[in-house]
Amino acid sequence: KQEVTQIPAALSVPEGENLVLNCSFTDSAIYNLQWFRQDPGKGLTSLLLIQSSQREQTSGRLNASLDKSSGRSTLYIAASQPGDSATYLCAGAGGRGSQGNLIFGKGTKLSVKP
Amino acid sequence: NAGVTQTPKFQVLKTGQSMTLQCAQDMNHEYMSWYRQDPGMGLRLIHYSVGAGITDQGEVPNGYNVSRSTTEDFPLRLLSAAPSQTSVYFCASSYNYDSKTWGYEQYFGPGTRLTVT
Repeated sequence: KQEVTQIPAALSVPEGENLVLNCSFTDSAIYNLQWFRQDPGKGLTSLLLIQSSQREQTSGRLNASLDKSSGRSTLYIAASQPGDSATYLCAGAGGRGSQGNLIFGKGTKLSVKP
Repeated sequence: NAGVTQTPKFQVLKTGQSMTLQCAQDMNHEYMSWYRQDPGMGLRLIHYSVGAGITDQGEVPNGYNVSRSTTEDFPLRLLSAAPSQTSVYFCASSYNYDSKTWGYEQYFGPGTRLTVT
């Protein structure tokens, strides 16, 4: 069964710092991986989707990579801002037993200090 | 497009009561799903649907019922509410469910916060 892990669970950085959030998955037969942002008390906002045939995707200051062979994805945030403070979730679709549904990690809570 | 909408936003139930959480999407998406989010547990799949008339169970289906009579709507029914069903419920949708072309983004609704006393 696919399992998704995110480390660290929480991260605090000063404004302007570049940072990397990590996501690992146990089954390399993943179809795609999606990164979400969740603000307190709110829903999930999709940030980036990486298909299994791709290695990375970029949107503005965000860059996500996918390495199926090592079972890892990273979300790189450049020049962090206080407005980036939120919980970041990664979720993989596919893998044996998942029937293509999203399997979520528990998230990394990011705090960017002014 | 309104995207994925959910009603109500908040609900308090007494143990044993039943209710339906509503979910609708206006993007003509074939795939819809329900998740619950609990502290320390993350998001877990309850039920999903790959098209009108087709539903299946996810990881935590007990105590919940679904049906999909139209492409747009995917309601979640709590048959007899229990305190263990206190959670935040999210509905999501995606263009399709083709396992060979899993390149489609999933979109989430704003959630329903349910408390069962």
